Amino acid sequence: DAKTTQPNSMESNEEEPVHLPCNHSTISGTDYIHWYRQLPSQGPEYVIHGLTSNVNNRMASLAIAEDRKSSTLILHRATLRDAAVYYCIPLYNQGGKLIFGQGTELSVKP
Amino acid sequence: DAGVIQSPRHEVTEMGQEVTLRCKPISGHNSLFWYRQTMMRGLELLIYFNNNVPIDDSGMPEDRFSAKMPNASFSTLKIQPSEPRDSAVYFCASRSSGNRYSNQPQHFGDGTRLSIL
Repeated sequence: DAKTTQPNSMESNEEEPVHLPCNHSTISGTDYIHWYRQLPSQGPEYVIHGLTSNVNNRMASLAIAEDRKSSTLILHRATLRDAAVYYCIPLYNQGGKLIFGQGTELSVKP
Repeated sequence: DAGVIQSPRHEVTEMGQEVTLRCKPISGHNSLFWYRQTMMRGLELLIYFNNNVPIDDSGMPEDRFSAKMPNASFSTLKIQPSEPRDSAVYFCASRSSGNRYSNQPQHFGDGTRLSIL
């Protein structure tokens, strides 16, 4: 299984951009990179996923390094509701299983 | 749209009792996953089903745990007998997929908070 490294915690100010990094140096060529987040007292929520090129959706953007050993989740304007634990998860060769690490706990200050 | 529905939301019971957690996946989804979350171990996958068939139960901690999916719209996770160390939040998730390796996102329920006294 591909191993990931994320900072334990990050802090942001409201309405500022946030860049959440993830290292996945052992990722295989066919592993997609998925991001989920978990708000307090809720189940995890899908955010975005990608393989090689950068991806955008209504929630966030995903920037994937050219060598695919790292990626960055970008929240363009953080809101208080974005305070959550963010998980970076390489997928595919695990049979579609999500293997959650410790994630990054993001706090957003008003 | 109705999401994944889990019941009960909270369960408090004494050790030794049988506990049954229930999950209704999103209609049309054909993969279902059971996870457990604790402070010590984080989120762990227990078992998952594809088209009602268990595919991987390697995360089930021991024989006291069992899971069934009798049809596409219902699954149960049973603990018998329960122990205090089983206290955790249990999540169910579902996903639409053409095969077991799908990249489709998983949709999670709100979880069942289980306390074994």
